[in-house]
Amino acid sequence: EMQVVESGGGLVQPGGSLRLSCAASGFTFSTYEMNWVRQAPGKGLEWVSYISSSGSTIYYADSVKGRFTISRDNAKNSLYLQMNSLRAEDTAVYHCVRESSAYGRPFDYWGQGTLVTVSS
Amino acid sequence: SFELTQPPSVSVSPGQTVTITCSGDYLGDKYVCWYQQKPGQSPVLVIYEDKKRPSGIPERFSGSKSGNTATLTISGTQAMDEADYYCQTWDSRTVIFGGGTKLTVL
Repeated sequence: EMQVVESGGGLVQPGGSLRLSCAASGFTFSTYEMNWVRQAPGKGLEWVSYISSSGSTIYYADSVKGRFTISRDNAKNSLYLQMNSLRAEDTAVYHCVRESSAYGRPFDYWGQGTLVTVSS
Repeated sequence: SFELTQPPSVSVSPGQTVTITCSGDYLGDKYVCWYQQKPGQSPVLVIYEDKKRPSGIPERFSGSKSGNTATLTISGTQAMDEADYYCQTWDSRTVIFGGGTKLTVL
């Protein structure tokens, strides 16, 4: 069964750091591009970051550029998001999302998400 | 910056047909996806490549595009279709989501 399970969320003070992890199983992780997408409480979806299957190509949303770092370890079937200089507006559920190879690159599988709360 | 515009809410009676629109500059040159998100759940892909349905998605869900407006159509709407719906596309190196449309089945 295909699965992605996020972990690492929690309560952190403004300016603090947190590292999210995503453990993938049930598919060949190393052949898929992956993304992080977040959703603030009661708000819509916001894309955060993309990483290619090899890890050689990375993109970020302007809102997190310079503060967040995406990475992956294909040997461990894992995706990561290092979040530094956290702000209140980063409070959200963070989803690990698999990207399909179909045209338009749809997001075909979403994890349940991990909640990050930035508050003093 | 590139934006996708959706109506905040739409409503429909059970068994009727409802459409949700998504508009954006140059959307005609891009592929559009649609996601369904029910309360407390993760989004689910319901349409990709403008009009294709993933396996397991009921035939009552369909997608189309005309010019710079994409449309998600739900025919014979059921109570279980009540959810938030988001359109999405890629713009160069960025993923763009629409603001979401809350579908209420009255």
